[in-house]
Amino acid sequence: QSALTQPASVSGSPGQSITIPCTGSHTDIGAYESVSWYQQHPGKVPKVIIFDVTSRSSGVSDRFAGSKAGNTASLIISGLQAEDEAEYFCCSYTTDGFLVFGGGTKVTVL
Amino acid sequence: EVQLMQSGVEVKKPGESLRVSCQTSGYSFNDYWIAWVRQKSGRGLEWMGIIYGGDSSVRESPSFKGQVTMSVDRAINTAYLEWTSLKASDSAMYYCARYIVPGAGGWLDPWGQGTLVTVSS
Repeated sequence: QSALTQPASVSGSPGQSITIPCTGSHTDIGAYESVSWYQQHPGKVPKVIIFDVTSRSSGVSDRFAGSKAGNTASLIISGLQAEDEAEYFCCSYTTDGFLVFGGGTKVTVL
Repeated sequence: EVQLMQSGVEVKKPGESLRVSCQTSGYSFNDYWIAWVRQKSGRGLEWMGIIYGGDSSVRESPSFKGQVTMSVDRAINTAYLEWTSLKASDSAMYYCARYIVPGAGGWLDPWGQGTLVTVSS
C-alpha cells in the first residue's frame, strides 16, 4: 500500500486560509468515508484534529475543516494563526483493512 | 481520562531483543484496538499494525509483517511491541495509539508519548 500524497510544505500569512490536499486512490480515500488528519508540533505527539473526513475532534478550533472529493481529501485551515505552524498528516482506511498515512505537510505561518 | 503511557528510551545494539510497552487507562481495554506507528527521525508516520485488546487479533502492515510481534496483557491493560533481533534501521520513535473503529475504518486517539529506540553498535 503506497503512502498517500501530500505537498511537503504549505505556507500562508496570518489570517489567510490554506488548503492541504491528500491524494490517494480508489482503494483508500475513494473507497470509504474514513479519512483522518493529525497535527504534530515539533517534538510533540501527533493529535487527531479531523476524523471521518469532516468531523472535528473535541476541542479543535472550527478554523479547521475537512473535505473529500473522489480520491483526494483536503484539510482547510482558515484564519491562519501562528499556533497552526506544525506538520499535518492525512490518514485513510484501505480496502486491505489497513491504515495508510500521507507523507506529511509542514505548514509555515509567514 | 483516557491515557496511554509508553516505556522509556531504549538504546540497543544490533541483534539484541527489545519489548516496548504501552500501558492504558481510562477506558475498557478489551473493547478497542491498539495501533503501533513508527516515525523515523521526525519524518513521516508509518502504520505498523493493530492488535485487539479483547482477543489479541492482529492485523499487520505488509511492511512490518515478520519484523515485529504485537501482544497484549489484558490483566494489566497493556500492549507490547517486540523485536527478537534489532537492526540499525529499526531506530525510530514508536507510538501506540487507541484505534477507534465505529465502522469501516477509524482514527487514532489518543496517542502515547512515544518510545525512542536507538540501535547502534
